[in-house]
Amino acid sequence: DSGVTQTPKHLITATGQRVTLRCSPRSGDLSVYWYQQSLDQGLQFLIQYYNGEERAKGNILERFSAQQFPDLHSELNLSSLELGDSALYFCASSVAGGALETQYFGPGTRLLVL
Amino acid sequence: AQSVTQPDIHITVSEGASLELRCNYSYGATPYLFWYVQSPGQGLQLLLKYFSGDTLVQGIKGFEAEFKRSQSSFNLRKPSVHWSDAAEYFCAVGPLNGNKLVFGAGTILRVKS
Repeated sequence: DSGVTQTPKHLITATGQRVTLRCSPRSGDLSVYWYQQSLDQGLQFLIQYYNGEERAKGNILERFSAQQFPDLHSELNLSSLELGDSALYFCASSVAGGALETQYFGPGTRLLVL
Repeated sequence: AQSVTQPDIHITVSEGASLELRCNYSYGATPYLFWYVQSPGQGLQLLLKYFSGDTLVQGIKGFEAEFKRSQSSFNLRKPSVHWSDAAEYFCAVGPLNGNKLVFGAGTILRVKS
């Protein structure tokens, strides 16, 4: 158990819908990362937050957005969903978001868009 | 562009046999290198990481990896594989703008008894 929690574990929805994925970092960690794991794209970095502020952006679609709240939990919002958005979405956290730090991964949210 | 190549999609080894998983990277500066393991239905767990210093790094669960700058490689090894090692293994390189990691495609390890 990494200490990172993600809800829900599974999500099934239809094309065009909007969903919100939630992540609670390890106690004391200020930085949160979101990754998408799909069969065709592999594991890809989406976005990083540190203490409520966006720090780095990866291959995140404009239909996707994220935020980190004052209590440090983070949400990833996916809208206008397409079949290709079906994937496993991981959240990770680290202490301060620095390059030397280990990222601890949550168990993931499996999204299926029908 | 930074990238990680794991040439082997699947590897099968017998229990008790040695293991080497290959990882090659492309990175413009001194890389930070990581190996993660993902068991079925689980998130990723860090096995080991290399930042600097001794090029042979020890990790958890009896794994080790050797950084070879001349070959741009960071291969993962274990002298004797256990059935519980069956999982998918990911090599990653960083950091990139912040603490972004770039992951390889993964190698699925199957252990036969």
